[in-house]
Amino acid sequence: AQTVTQSQPEMSVQEAETVTLSCTYDTSENNYYLFWYKQPPSRQMILVIRQEAYKQQNATENRFSVNFQKAAKSFSLKISDSQLGDTAMYFCAFMKHTGNQFYFGTGTSLTVIP
Amino acid sequence: EAQVTQNPRYLITVTGKKLTVTCSQNMNHEYMSWYRQDPGLGLRQIYYSMNVEVTDKGDVPEGYKVSRKEKRNFPLILESPSPNQTSLYFCASGGGAGQGWTGELFFGEGSRLTVL
Repeated sequence: AQTVTQSQPEMSVQEAETVTLSCTYDTSENNYYLFWYKQPPSRQMILVIRQEAYKQQNATENRFSVNFQKAAKSFSLKISDSQLGDTAMYFCAFMKHTGNQFYFGTGTSLTVIP
Repeated sequence: EAQVTQNPRYLITVTGKKLTVTCSQNMNHEYMSWYRQDPGLGLRQIYYSMNVEVTDKGDVPEGYKVSRKEKRNFPLILESPSPNQTSLYFCASGGGAGQGWTGELFFGEGSRLTVL
């Protein structure tokens, strides 16, 4: 079975600063997908960024980028120029390439301080 | 508007009273799944479905049933709810293998269930 670990239950960052959320995972698979999902206070889960394991280049989406270290099984999320709207719970997730089961971490609650 | 719709959004019930949480998507997605979210445990997959009439267990299927008779609907059934099933439940859908899907899930707004 796959496991996803987020070791930072809570984090805070000053508005306009940069913050990095950590995620590690354990798998014997070679092909898989990794994701970061955001859950704001409204509870609606939305995809922030996705990484395909066979791609060495780190994914970026505007102010969001990842540091994907396949050998270390690490997948951290960097948020640059933090905004108040970034306040949310962030979940790291794993999906095998066959696309059936998903595994989520326990989440990191991020607060952006004005 | 593309969406995943869950009902009810909030429900308080009593132990043993059967209930169904409905989930419907309008994106013609093949893949649908159910999760429960509990503090300190994150999201855990209950059941998933790769297509019509194809369902399989996730990590925490005990006490739950699902069916997938139509592509757009994937109801979650609690035959005899117990207090340990008090949780926040999410339904999600995604393209599926036949649609070049790379794993993005579209979530419903969640259903807060309390079992007394």
